[in-house]
Amino acid sequence: DVQVTQSPSSLSASVGDTVTITCRASQSFSRFLNWYQQKPGKAPKLLIYGASTLQGGVPSRFSGSGSGTDFTLTISSVQPEDFGTYYCQQSYNTPRIFGQGTKLQIK
Amino acid sequence: QVQLQESGPGLVRPSETLSLTCAVSGGSITGDYWSWIRQPPGKGPEWIGYIYYTGSTSYNPSLNSRATISVDTSENQFSLRLSSVTAADTAVYYCAREGRVGTRPGQVGYYYYGLDVWGQGTTVTVSS
Repeated sequence: DVQVTQSPSSLSASVGDTVTITCRASQSFSRFLNWYQQKPGKAPKLLIYGASTLQGGVPSRFSGSGSGTDFTLTISSVQPEDFGTYYCQQSYNTPRIFGQGTKLQIK
Repeated sequence: QVQLQESGPGLVRPSETLSLTCAVSGGSITGDYWSWIRQPPGKGPEWIGYIYYTGSTSYNPSLNSRATISVDTSENQFSLRLSSVTAADTAVYYCAREGRVGTRPGQVGYYYYGLDVWGQGTTVTVSS
């Protein structure tokens, strides 16, 4: 079975910090990798598709990189509203698989 | 813009069938993939499956053929049935559109897909 491993599972950051979340796959997904942000009690929101392209309206402090099996989500200058849980998801084939999530807390 | 709204019972008895419907408003159901995703309490999302507006489907094998997704283009809605439910099926169920969110560089007519529109989610509890 295809595995998608996200790390870390949680992190705490101060406003203005830069944070990095990684997503590693057990097989190549080329660049078919999406990132989502989820806030408590809400549906996930698409942030990045194609590994590095920001969805419309997403602040430029969010960026994505990677291809194949290793991907990264970076938030530069974290803001208070960036709290929540972040998930990667592959769109290369079915079943679509989500990572386990990274919970970001703001100090 | 397109909006999605889930509806269905919030409580289902063990061994029975869970049935949910997702109404699509603000746009047509034709031309995209329509998905069901669930999220058990305290866990990450799990993709259940999707349907193309023509009726072709794909499902998560982890559900052991218990899921059926159907589409009604005349009513602009799609539905999920999950049979033989157990407590492990207790979750927030979301419907979502998997849309063509961007083009692939250098590949005319090829797209990236993402879950770009979501319903608010509906909680389903499996309990006697």
